[in-house]
Amino acid sequence: EDQVTQSPEALRLQEGESSSLNCSYTVSGLRGLFWYRQDPGKGPEFLFTLYSAGEEKEKERLKATLTKKESFLHITAPKPEDSATYLCAVRGLPLFQKLVFGTGTRLLVSP
Amino acid sequence: DGGITQSPKYLFRKEGQNVTLSCEQNLNHDAMYWYRQDPGQGLRLIYYSQIVNDFQKGDIAEGYSVSREKKESFPLTVTSAQKNPTAFYLCASSISEQYLVGNTIYFGEGSWLTVV
Repeated sequence: EDQVTQSPEALRLQEGESSSLNCSYTVSGLRGLFWYRQDPGKGPEFLFTLYSAGEEKEKERLKATLTKKESFLHITAPKPEDSATYLCAVRGLPLFQKLVFGTGTRLLVSP
Repeated sequence: DGGITQSPKYLFRKEGQNVTLSCEQNLNHDAMYWYRQDPGQGLRLIYYSQIVNDFQKGDIAEGYSVSREKKESFPLTVTSAQKNPTAFYLCASSISEQYLVGNTIYFGEGSWLTVV
C-alpha cells in the first residue's frame, strides 16, 4: 500500500533561516509526487510535481527535489508569508490510483 | 476566472439531516473528486468521478452520496448515516485519469461542515 510520511510535523523558523521539509514515500510505480501549500481554512494550492529521481523544481524561495525514497522541499531565506502547512502526496500505478497524502508540515516563519 | 467553486463555505447540520455541498468547475476538467480533511490526518478520498454519469467510491464513502450529471458539477450529499460528519470538505478536479503522467489535481477553497 502506498504511504507518505512527512517530517517534521511542525517547524518554526526565523525570517531568513533556511531549512528543509521531508517527505518519505513508498509507492508502486511512481506516477508523480506532488507538493501543495495550504493556508488555514483554505484549499491546498499546487506548488510542484516531480516524476523521477534526480528531478528538481524551483519557485521563488522554494525548491523541491526527489530521490527514489523521499522528496525535500527546501525553503531559502523564508519570509513570514511562507508560513503555511505544506502537503506532500504521491500517485502510483495502476492506471487510476488515488493520491495518497501525508499529514503535512506546519511551517511558521517569525519576523 | 477559471477555477473550482465550493459552496457554502460554512454549513451547519442538525442530527438526522441530509446536507448537500456544491462544487462547480470551469476548467473543463473530466475528473472530479471529494476529499475530507480532519486535524492531524491526511486528506482522505470520499468519491471520485472520471466522466459524466459515472463515479466510484473512495476510501471513506459510507454515509456520503454524489452525482455527476454535468461535467462542471459534482455535488456531495452528507447523509444522516454519516456518524461523524464534522470536517473540512475539499472538492478537486483534474484533466483526466487516462494520462499516465501529469494530471495535477487542483482544489477548491473548501467547505466547513459542523453538526449542531
